[in-house]
Amino acid sequence: DTGVSQDPRHKITKRGQNVTFRCDPISEHNRLYWYRQTLGQGPEFLTYFQNEAQLEKSRLLSDRFSAERPKGSFSTLEIQRTEQGDSAMYLCASQWGSGETQYFGPGTRLLVL
Amino acid sequence: AQTVTQSQPEMSVQEAETVTLSCTYDTSESDYYLFWYKQPPSRQMILVIRQEAYKQQNATENRFSVNFQKAAKSFSLKISDSQLGDAAMYFCAYRSATSGTYKYIFGTGTRLKVLA
Repeated sequence: DTGVSQDPRHKITKRGQNVTFRCDPISEHNRLYWYRQTLGQGPEFLTYFQNEAQLEKSRLLSDRFSAERPKGSFSTLEIQRTEQGDSAMYLCASQWGSGETQYFGPGTRLLVL
Repeated sequence: AQTVTQSQPEMSVQEAETVTLSCTYDTSESDYYLFWYKQPPSRQMILVIRQEAYKQQNATENRFSVNFQKAAKSFSLKISDSQLGDAAMYFCAYRSATSGTYKYIFGTGTRLKVLA
């Protein structure tokens, strides 16, 4: 266990529904990342927060995706109007300051029917 | 744009033997970080080892070591005395240290099987 938790661990939804995932990083970590991982691929960067500020967002991320980190602690990732192509594992990782070690959560596996 | 390539989808090694996983990357930058991450089945991804590009000395962590060839843009991972617990997906990753981005770029991974 790395100390990063994600909820839920699994989510099955129907196409067109909205889903929200939560990530709780290690408490003193000020940096937080979201990734998407599909079968047979490595994690793909989605977005990055430093404290509560969203500093970087992948151009691959459509307008249906939004992420927040309101108090610089936990973060949420929302997908609106889900599509079958959104089916993937969504990973969260946290990091402290200028250290380069990312601590990953267990992920949320999303299946869109 | 930077890319990371892992050309070995799957590797096998006998327990107690040594195995090397390959990774190449493409970048025009001179300062960056390279990483190897391990993702065991149904478990969280963890950092195995990291290398700063400005350091000529290859990083080592117990049974894990890297062969960093900056000119060739190659970053291989050597696992010595392989153990059953080493079985996992291994991902090579890159992050720029100069372009003001904190984006990590991962390869597609190599599945390592350890044979008893």
